[in-house]
Amino acid sequence: GAGVSQSPSNKVTEKGKDVELRCDPISGHTALYWYRQSLGQGLEFLIYFQGNSAPDKSGLPSDRFSAERTGGSVSTLTIQRTQQEDSAVYLCASRGAQAEAFFGQGTRLTVV
Amino acid sequence: AQSVAQPEDQVNVAEGNPLTVKCTYSVSGNPYLFWYVQYPNRGLQFLLKYITGDNLVKGSYGFEAEFNKSQTSFHLKKPSALVSDSALYFCAVRDMSRDDKIIFGKGTRLHILP
Repeated sequence: GAGVSQSPSNKVTEKGKDVELRCDPISGHTALYWYRQSLGQGLEFLIYFQGNSAPDKSGLPSDRFSAERTGGSVSTLTIQRTQQEDSAVYLCASRGAQAEAFFGQGTRLTVV
Repeated sequence: AQSVAQPEDQVNVAEGNPLTVKCTYSVSGNPYLFWYVQYPNRGLQFLLKYITGDNLVKGSYGFEAEFNKSQTSFHLKKPSALVSDSALYFCAVRDMSRDDKIIFGKGTRLHILP
């Protein structure tokens, strides 16, 4: 596609439920990044992929968070047993041969 | 590990005046440096980057940034601010000698006063 696409754009879930957030990167981009932006906070690095591999998972906040990427394209960020502190905007970005990454519009997650 | 510091949470500038948004970084190897802008309820938009070469780089919307290796800084500048420049600005660094992740600062909110 023309840009990075994230779905859903908004998600409200009950505490304790699992959620899946999807990212469709720009076609041909090999690097993919996930970040979390909490209200009034900066961008917190979560994980990045090079192809289907995740060389750096150091930013995942807990073992409730996991991510995968298949076919070198779509990525899914899964949060199990959601907590209220998981409420944030989750941003995905992809990068091709150029140095900079391009961002999607984000998924706003609200845990009630 | 690489890191980015944006020392100002907020910067206020009168319209028509020059603006500067500060950024310092720390990496063990050679840095790629970036500035992004975020308008309300929008994703991040790429503004400009430093890879190599001239220390002064020019980007979108009349913005420019100056790379200073000795001070490990990459301040964002614009000669004449517009009200429409009001937004949240993020500085970011990628360390090419270690791995490929991009680390962002906490952001600086820029208010341009009419």
